[in-house]
Amino acid sequence: AQSVTQLDSQVPVFEEAPVELRCNYSSSVSVYLFWYVQYPNQGLQLLLKYLSGSTLVESINGFEAEFNKSQTSFHLRKPSVHISDTAEYFCAVREFAAGNKLTFGGGTRVLVKP
Amino acid sequence: DAMVIQNPRYQVTQFGKPVTLSCSQTLNHNVMYWYQQKSSQAPKLLFHYYDKDFNNEADTPDNFQSRRPNTSFCFLDIRSPGLGDAAMYLCATSTAGTSPEQYFGPGTRLTVT
Repeated sequence: AQSVTQLDSQVPVFEEAPVELRCNYSSSVSVYLFWYVQYPNQGLQLLLKYLSGSTLVESINGFEAEFNKSQTSFHLRKPSVHISDTAEYFCAVREFAAGNKLTFGGGTRVLVKP
Repeated sequence: DAMVIQNPRYQVTQFGKPVTLSCSQTLNHNVMYWYQQKSSQAPKLLFHYYDKDFNNEADTPDNFQSRRPNTSFCFLDIRSPGLGDAAMYLCATSTAGTSPEQYFGPGTRLTVT
């Protein structure tokens, strides 16, 4: 069975500093990988996804994530954060041909300080 | 814009009083999901519909039921809400094709008094 581990539950970071959110998963089959962002009292918004092809994927607001198959990781990075990036970030995995279910990590709360 | 809509955004109900949360979508996706999310936790899948086929998670309490009268609408019924059912309820959709991501609504925050 698959599982997703987000190693940091909270990450405080100063504005304009870089941030990395770690995500590791376990699965015996190929997977799709996602990062979702959740602002307070909002639903989850898809930030970026890895389906196939290039292992480095980027979002329109400066985030990027790299799929590392050998390390079963999908870490999220941003070189320079803004106050508006304060949110909870969830890594999620869906196994190929295993139905439609997502398995979520426990979430990482990012607090950007001025 | 195509989207997932949840009404109401905030719902207050009394202990033991049945409550229904609604979700609609304009994406024409054939899969719809209901999640429960408690504070500082990941969303927990309650059940999902693949077209009209209902799929219940093994650990979803019987107190939670769902209906999907057509492609666009899906309802979550809580028959006898307890204090422990206070949470954010998220509806999501996906298409059973080459795009495996799920699209979430804004959520309904349920308070039980």
